[in-house]
Amino acid sequence: GDSVTQMEGPVTLSEEAFLTINCTYTATGYPSLFWYVQYPGEGLQLLLKATKADDKGSNKGFEATYRKETTSFHLEKGSVQVSDSAVYFCALSENGYAGNMLTFGGGTRLMVKP
Amino acid sequence: EAGVAQSPRYKIIEKRQSVAFWCNPISGHATLYWYQQILGQGPKLLIQFQNNGVVDDSQLPKDRFSAERLKGVDSTLKIQPAKLEDSAVYLCASSLAGRWGSFGQGTRLTVV
Repeated sequence: GDSVTQMEGPVTLSEEAFLTINCTYTATGYPSLFWYVQYPGEGLQLLLKATKADDKGSNKGFEATYRKETTSFHLEKGSVQVSDSAVYFCALSENGYAGNMLTFGGGTRLMVKP
Repeated sequence: EAGVAQSPRYKIIEKRQSVAFWCNPISGHATLYWYQQILGQGPKLLIQFQNNGVVDDSQLPKDRFSAERLKGVDSTLKIQPAKLEDSAVYLCASSLAGRWGSFGQGTRLTVV
């Protein structure tokens, strides 16, 4: 079945550092890929998405590129802020059909220190 | 627009007791999902509804879990009897047909 693997955390960075959170996936067909963020005490929020190979999703300074050849969707940000501290989840939707269930990775906790 | 509403936010019960969670999706959203998020793990789908019909319940432990969505709007998820391993956050999400969904804040269940 489909699966998502992300780097284990916590990832601890200083403010303004460069962030990479690795995500790789296994899927049949052509999934859509997502990054969700969960801030302390809040629900899951969609951060960005990409629906086909080579698409780049971006939002709030974060970006990720759908790499079919390496089955990856790594999350990057050039300069993190303390307010980016949260848990980040990579996810996929089988066959890219909007409204299909999501398969999530285990999450990566990011802690940004001033 | 109002988001997905869930209640209660927190619940503590003893093992073998029963518990129910409630979800009110965004108005007009035909698709509703229940996910289970165990501490330190990503959410896992339990059941997906389209209006009041079940689309996928293959990962729902049907010997103890049940869910319904009467009238295709609100939904309840029940656990009876609860086990220690059911301690988790139960997330509800909803979406328009063919669109990506929104999540509620979840109900944190602790079974002692």
